[in-house]
Amino acid sequence: QQPVQSPQAVILREGEDAVINCSSSKALYSVHWYRQKHGEAPVFLMILLKGGEQKGHDKISASFNEKKQQSSLYLTASQLSYSGTYFCGTESDSGGSNYKLTFGKGTLLTVNP
Amino acid sequence: DSGVTQTPKHLITATGQRVTLRCSPRSGDLSVYWYQQSLDQGLQFLIQYYNGEERAKGNILERFSAQQFPDLHSELNLSSLELGDSALYFCASARGDGNTIYFGEGSWLTVV
Repeated sequence: QQPVQSPQAVILREGEDAVINCSSSKALYSVHWYRQKHGEAPVFLMILLKGGEQKGHDKISASFNEKKQQSSLYLTASQLSYSGTYFCGTESDSGGSNYKLTFGKGTLLTVNP
Repeated sequence: DSGVTQTPKHLITATGQRVTLRCSPRSGDLSVYWYQQSLDQGLQFLIQYYNGEERAKGNILERFSAQQFPDLHSELNLSSLELGDSALYFCASARGDGNTIYFGEGSWLTVV
């Protein structure tokens, strides 16, 4: 089942913050976040495994609430290079991974000067 | 460069034809995934192989098939092509389960 991402699109000015949400109707084993620029391959940002941990690097972090089957990606002090489409991918929990990484439809993030 | 190699990069073919897309995973990666990306459907999971065995199947049409060979490279075969099959096909690889998945640059397929 495809996770639902919100918002569908967001426009920021450089230096502003953004939150992208990803939710599933199924219990999740893991959540993966990727960024894709137009015409390029998706690039890995981070994985969160069930356990509710929060991960991050630099000014991009994410949380995973396994009880709510939700994950959020936080982008702080956005830079022009953050522009792109952000995808969350989820693996359902079937006593472990179900090995099917299913992606949401993406959130288009545009950072303007 | 993710280390995942896909060929060809671009392919234009007629309806009804058959094509094969090839993927070489990163060195040491045992898992190979295939995804289809189109404007209206986003990234659709097709199929996953792990060390030569099919591990998971997604929204893969019966006209499509895939395999992973002993040297771990994989091929996606698309037959009886239709206009709607035009899309970007990504291969991705991972060391095993629950690991970072690295995407190749994709193969652009245009069916005319």
